[in-house]
This record gives sequence, structure tokens and C-alpha cells, in this order.
Amino acid sequence: AQSVAQPEDQVNVAEGNPLTVKCTYSVSGNPYLFWYVQYPNRGLQFLLKYITGDNLVKGSYGFEAEFNKSQTSFHLKKPSALVSDSALYFCAVRGSRAAGNKLTFGGGTRVLVKP
Amino acid sequence: DAGVIQSPRHEVTEMGQEVTLRCKPISGHNSLFWYRQTMMRGLELLIYFNNNVPIDDSGMPEDRFSAKMPNASFSTLKIQPSEPRDSAVYFCASSLKRTTTQETQYFGPGTRLLVL
Repeated sequence: AQSVAQPEDQVNVAEGNPLTVKCTYSVSGNPYLFWYVQYPNRGLQFLLKYITGDNLVKGSYGFEAEFNKSQTSFHLKKPSALVSDSALYFCAVRGSRAAGNKLTFGGGTRVLVKP
Repeated sequence: DAGVIQSPRHEVTEMGQEVTLRCKPISGHNSLFWYRQTMMRGLELLIYFNNNVPIDDSGMPEDRFSAKMPNASFSTLKIQPSEPRDSAVYFCASSLKRTTTQETQYFGPGTRLLVL
């Protein structure tokens, strides 16, 4: 079975400071990893994904994520947070040996960026 | 591209009534997913289709829930009869499934359902 853990329910950060949202996973085979963001009353928006290759993945809105196979982590980062980055962030995973193309999502981390 | 389209955006109904949620996936996509989001349980996959065929419905909570995909451009999620605990935001997502690549799922805006 595949699973995702987002250990922090909420992350608070001051505007201009670096932002990190943590994610760890468990899958069979090679992992395919995704980050989504959800703004209030909106659907989930795709930010970035890791399939293979460079461990540092760059995505939308200045976000990036680092894949660490030994630590089974895929933390989301942004060097300088904006107030507009305040939202709910979801990490998701699919194992290469999983049947179909079913994603498993983490519980979400709420990010609050204060001015 | 219009993205994934869901209707209605909001639905308020009384317990026992039938509720039908609709989804139009992104043109050309061949996989469709229905999710439910609540504060208590987070984001749950209910069912997904590949090429209009249901692949995994293990997340469908009860027989009161049913989903269909009569063609590549339309899907419905029906709840009959509805109960207050069905109140949630229901999302539809679609993706293009290829043999070996991992496709991104794109989400619709959701339907906010309130069952009184």
C-alpha cells in the first residue's frame, strides 16, 4: 500500500522568509510525487511533480521540491514566501508498481504567511 | 482550454433527496477521478475511470453512491438517498493516461454539497 505523511497541520512564516512544507512517503517501486495547492473555495492546482532525473524539481509560482530517496521525502520549498502563498498544500504519491494510476494524498498542510 | 468543469458549484438539499453531481473532463483526457473532501477525513478518492470504464470504486462509501461515465466527456456522481453526513466538497479530476508516463491530474472547482 502507498501512503503519504504531512507531519505539520499548519506552518506559519513571515513574508520574505523561506517556506518549507514537509512530506514523506511510502510506496512499492519508484515513487512518482506531486504537490498541489488549494486556495479557499477552489479546486486543487498542480504545482510540480517528480518522476525521474534531477532530485530538485522546479514548479509554478517560484516553488521547488527536493526528492530524497534515502529519507523518502519530498519537501516543498520557496526561498521567499509571499502573503498570497497562504493556502492549503497537498503532497501526493503513486508507486511505479501500483495498479492503475491512483494517487494517494497526504492530509494537507495549511500555510499562513504573515505580512 | 476550459479545464475540468463541474456543476452545480453549490447544492443544498434535504435528507433523503437524490443528488446528482456532474463533471466534464478536459478534452482528450482518458482518466477521470471523483474525490470527496471533508475536514474530518481530508481528501478521499471515491472512484476512478480509465477510458470510461470504472477501475477502482473501493472508495465509494456505500451503495447509496453510484458513478457513471457514459462517454469520454461526461461523468455523474449520484447519491440516493442523501444524508447529512454526505455534506462535503466533491471534486472531479482528469488526466491523460499513457502506458509508461505519470500524468498530472487536473482538478475541477468542486461542488459544495450541504444535506440538511
